[in-house]
Amino acid sequence: NAGVTQTPKFQVLKTGQSMTLQCAQDMNHEYMSWYRQDPGMGLRLIHYSVGAGITDQGEVPNGYNVSRSTTEDFPLRLLSAAPSQTSVYFCASGGPQPQHFGDGTRLSIL
Amino acid sequence: DAKTTQPPSMDCAEGRAANLPCNHSTISGNEYVYWYRQIHSQGPQYIIHGLKNNETNEMASLIITEDRKSSTLILPHATLRDTAVYYCIVPRKTSYDKVIFGPGTSLSVIP
Repeated sequence: NAGVTQTPKFQVLKTGQSMTLQCAQDMNHEYMSWYRQDPGMGLRLIHYSVGAGITDQGEVPNGYNVSRSTTEDFPLRLLSAAPSQTSVYFCASGGPQPQHFGDGTRLSIL
Repeated sequence: DAKTTQPPSMDCAEGRAANLPCNHSTISGNEYVYWYRQIHSQGPQYIIHGLKNNETNEMASLIITEDRKSSTLILPHATLRDTAVYYCIVPRKTSYDKVIFGPGTSLSVIP
């Protein structure tokens, strides 16, 4: 049972590049979410989804897009990477509680 | 979500009980209290949750006051591996909604 799988684990981008962070869960959870965590800071909610085809904004949605075409997958897209988006990104899923978190994607924007 | 308030940091001697408080004075009658922890650089991990009764599992105990306005997470015999940030959250029960984590309590277990 894999739980929540995030790929890649590490990524370095140049300013202006785009990329997609992948998140997949195998627990048939309706609720999925993306958080970012800056050094020494808490978790901040970016976007969340309460089911396939339904997404909504969290606390810090600017610069990010999401979609939810299946129950299993919830990708996070950076449209035009900026240095301020350097962070650790965590994906989570739950029913909606308790949430299960992935191991994170460490993203650096140069 | 009901707002929660936690002390920013605490210390605990190894082998002693760690008692982490959380205030949630605006909690509604059907809302649960959930506790998570985040060990350095890892994804947060669910610990325990409760509604009104005290709860215990293999990781910790949760004590909720009778008026439900506060709770305490107890790690009965803290080890160095319990050094982490501990989050108390009170998500809405009646609807799927965004789940906001506060800054939590940074627990340092000291040898």
